[in-house]
Amino acid sequence: NAGVTQTPKFRVLKTGQSMTLLCAQDMNHEYMYWYRQDPGMGLRLIHYSVGEGTTAKGEVPDGYNVSRLKKQNFLLGLESAAPSQTSVYFCASSSLILLAGPYEQYFGPGTRLTVT
Amino acid sequence: ELKVEQNPLFLSMQEGKNYTIYCNYSTTSDRLYWYRQDPGKSLESLFVLLSNGAVKQEGRLMASLDTKARLSTLHITAAVHDLSATYFCAAEGGATNKLIFGTGTLLAVQP
Repeated sequence: NAGVTQTPKFRVLKTGQSMTLLCAQDMNHEYMYWYRQDPGMGLRLIHYSVGEGTTAKGEVPDGYNVSRLKKQNFLLGLESAAPSQTSVYFCASSSLILLAGPYEQYFGPGTRLTVT
Repeated sequence: ELKVEQNPLFLSMQEGKNYTIYCNYSTTSDRLYWYRQDPGKSLESLFVLLSNGAVKQEGRLMASLDTKARLSTLHITAAVHDLSATYFCAAEGGATNKLIFGTGTLLAVQP
């Protein structure tokens, strides 16, 4: 049981390049989330998904797109990277089923992205 | 719009001392979470507080929730160096389990 995994762990992009971050969870969780963490600002929600085939915007969605084609995977895309997107990106998942716990979110190890 | 404020932002403590981190949130929230983050690492769940008056304790850490005051506290008893980390509180907004995080408290326990 690997929990929540993220690939890649590190990436350096040039301005204007595109990339996709992959999040995978093996806990059969319905909900998945993408956050970014910047110094002094805590974590901010980018996009989230409440189930396969559904996505919704969070606090800071501009410049990002997401897809949830399979229940276990949640992809975060940057179509044209900008230096302001330099950050650490965390994926998280949680369960809808109350018996599994009080909706606790489990976090992946993070992806450090630098845009030059 | 749910907002979460945490203070202090930085806390330098001596080993053996007690202190409290405060977390205020602006609107009604279903649940309050506390996480720990070590440098360069992911977030580790510490506590989930579900209702008014909830109190949870694990080792030297105790968290409580007052939903009427929209306030949660994380109390540290007799701090030890191993507790040095950044602590985040997060309030849940809405039915989709979205979390709004505070800015974090960097705790440094000095010997």
